Amino acid sequence: NAGVTQTPKFRVLKTGQSMTLLCAQDMNHEYMYWYRQDPGMGLRLIHYSVGEGTTAKGEVPDGYNVSRLKKQNFLLGLESAAPSQTSVYFCASSSPRDGEKLFFGSGTQLSVL
Amino acid sequence: AQSVTQPDIHITVSEGASLELRCNYSYGATPYLFWYVQSPGQGLQLLLKYFSGDTLVQGIKGFEAEFKRSQSSFNLRKPSVHWSDAAEYFCAAEAGGGNKLTFGTGTQLKVEL
Repeated sequence: NAGVTQTPKFRVLKTGQSMTLLCAQDMNHEYMYWYRQDPGMGLRLIHYSVGEGTTAKGEVPDGYNVSRLKKQNFLLGLESAAPSQTSVYFCASSSPRDGEKLFFGSGTQLSVL
Repeated sequence: AQSVTQPDIHITVSEGASLELRCNYSYGATPYLFWYVQSPGQGLQLLLKYFSGDTLVQGIKGFEAEFKRSQSSFNLRKPSVHWSDAAEYFCAAEAGGGNKLTFGTGTQLKVEL
C-alpha cells in the first residue's frame, strides 16, 4: 500500500517562481489536507478538501492555491514564491471510515531563495 | 481562539525511565484529542486518540494518554522509554466536522542511553 504520496520530495525555488506540489492517496479517502511545518510552530493547516471539486481555506492560506479535480489527488500551488514560504509541506488524508485518523505523506522540503 | 499548548519544547530522558509529555487545550467544548509522533524526515503517525468514554486511552508502541477535563489536559505517558522513541511528539485537537486538526508546537524527545 502506497498510502499518501507526495512529489517532489525536495525543491529549491527563486523568489517569484511558481510550482505545484502533488499529493496522491490510494485509500479512497474523502478528506485531504495541506499543512506546513515550521520550527517551533508545529503544523499549520493551509487548505483542505472534504471531497472532489471542493476546497476550503485553513489557518494560513495566503499565497497558496489548491485544486482537487480527482478524489485521489490534491494539488498545492505557489503562484509567486516568497522566502516566507520556505518550509516543509505535508499532505494528509482521512476518512470517517478510518476513525478520523490522519494519514500523512513523507513531506516536501521547499526552499525559496 | 481554539488552541493546543505543549509547554515543553525539549525533553531528555534516560532509556528505561518513565515519560510524560504535557498537552493542554483551550476549546469551548471537549474536542477530539490526538497524539502523533514524527520521526526525522518522516510524516506524522497516529499514536492514540480520545473521543469520549474511558479517560485513559491506550495507543501503539506502549504509549497511553489520560484525558483530564478539569485540567483541560491530555498528557502522553510511557512507563519505560526505549531509544527508538526519540522523535518529535505532537498533540492535536479537533472541534467539529471536517476533521481540521489544530496541532501543538511539538515536544522533541531525546533518549539518553
